[in-house]
Amino acid sequence: AQTVTQSQPEMSVQEAETVTLSCTYDTSESDYYLFWYKQPPSRQMILVIRQEAYKQQNATENRFSVNFQKAAKSFSLKISDSQLGDAAMYFCAYRSSYSGGGADGLTFGKGTHLIIQP
Amino acid sequence: EAGVAQSPRYKIIEKRQSVAFWCNPISGHATLYWYQQILGQGPKLLIQFQNNGVVDDSQLPKDRFSAERLKGVDSTLKIQPAKLEDSAVYLCASSFTVDTEAFFGQGTRLTVV
Repeated sequence: AQTVTQSQPEMSVQEAETVTLSCTYDTSESDYYLFWYKQPPSRQMILVIRQEAYKQQNATENRFSVNFQKAAKSFSLKISDSQLGDAAMYFCAYRSSYSGGGADGLTFGKGTHLIIQP
Repeated sequence: EAGVAQSPRYKIIEKRQSVAFWCNPISGHATLYWYQQILGQGPKLLIQFQNNGVVDDSQLPKDRFSAERLKGVDSTLKIQPAKLEDSAVYLCASSFTVDTEAFFGQGTRLTVV
């Protein structure tokens, strides 16, 4: 079974600064997907960024980028120019690549609470 | 485009009572998931449907939890009887099909007292 570990329960950053959230995972599979989700107080999980394991290039989405180290099984999220609206819980998640059976549920870490200081 | 709808938003029940949650996925989405999120933890998959068939229910406590997706659209998740440890947020998500992005609803917060 796959596991996802987020070792930072809480992180704090000044507005406009850069912050990095850490995530490690354990799997015996060679092909999979990794995700970062944002969960504001409304509780709705919002996809921030996605990385396919077979791609060497790190994914980027505007101010959000990842550092994917497949050999180390590490998948960190960097948020540049932090904004007050970035304050939320951030979850790292793993998903196996598509299997014939169709099971593709996400395995989540415990989350990191990100605080933005004005 | 309307998102994933869930109701109720909040529910408080006594232990040993039964409770049901409802989910309406995004129109045209064949895949539907139910997750349980206990306070301080990440969501855990309970069950995945593809149309009205179950794809994965390996983590569903089948002695007290049940779920159905009649006609491959709406879904209900039921707990009977509820225990204190079932207090959690129950999230529903849907995707067009497997291996595509999943969209989440706002969840139902269940408190068992």
